[in-house]
Amino acid sequence: DGGITQSPKYLFRKEGQNVTLSCEQNLNHDAMYWYRQDPGQGLRLIYYSQIVNDFQKGDIAEGYSVSREKKESFPLTVTSAQKNPTAFYLCASGGLAGEGETQYFGPGTRLLVL
Amino acid sequence: AQSVTQLDSHVSVSEGTPVLLRCNYSSSYSPSLFWYVQHPNKGLQLLLKYTSAATLVKGINGFEAEFKKSETSFHLTKPSAHMSDAAEYFCVVSVGTGFQKLVFGTGTRLLVSP
Repeated sequence: DGGITQSPKYLFRKEGQNVTLSCEQNLNHDAMYWYRQDPGQGLRLIYYSQIVNDFQKGDIAEGYSVSREKKESFPLTVTSAQKNPTAFYLCASGGLAGEGETQYFGPGTRLLVL
Repeated sequence: AQSVTQLDSHVSVSEGTPVLLRCNYSSSYSPSLFWYVQHPNKGLQLLLKYTSAATLVKGINGFEAEFKKSETSFHLTKPSAHMSDAAEYFCVVSVGTGFQKLVFGTGTRLLVSP
């Protein structure tokens, strides 16, 4: 069954704590993305990766870090430097073709601060 | 810079009546455009996409959208709303070649009453 999985569905963070969100895909896509969604706003790009062992900052990378050690996996760490982490986090993947290549989204992780 | 504007934050319809969700885009060249749907606490699902082929694009679940370059619009329509269509809808423009950056509108919440 192909697709993108994210875990956990809900995550609670204590102040000063780093937490890691998991994203795995079995679609054989080269590119993977992390987005943040806040109420009443569209999605904003945090980080993206076009190839293993390489990634770039998106529009709101401060307070976040990522790694891409395997093609299938693109975990996101929300660090203690992110002062407002409460949001819905969405992972996506897609091919590297030219314009119009579709991005496919996972089910999301909701991060809440205790 | 490329951007999208969703003209309505909320749209309310009765079941069985037509749906119109409006989107205007800004792009310095011929864009790729998408409509995604998001049900509560779920990931985004692709409804349809335009990539410079036919200007009338048919998607899943009876939705379609028409690309009108002269009006810089990409409105989403459905002839007859169903209760299951109640969700958040995002108009999205794709920018760049190779790396596929998506720019999201702020979303339109569709409410369907019996």
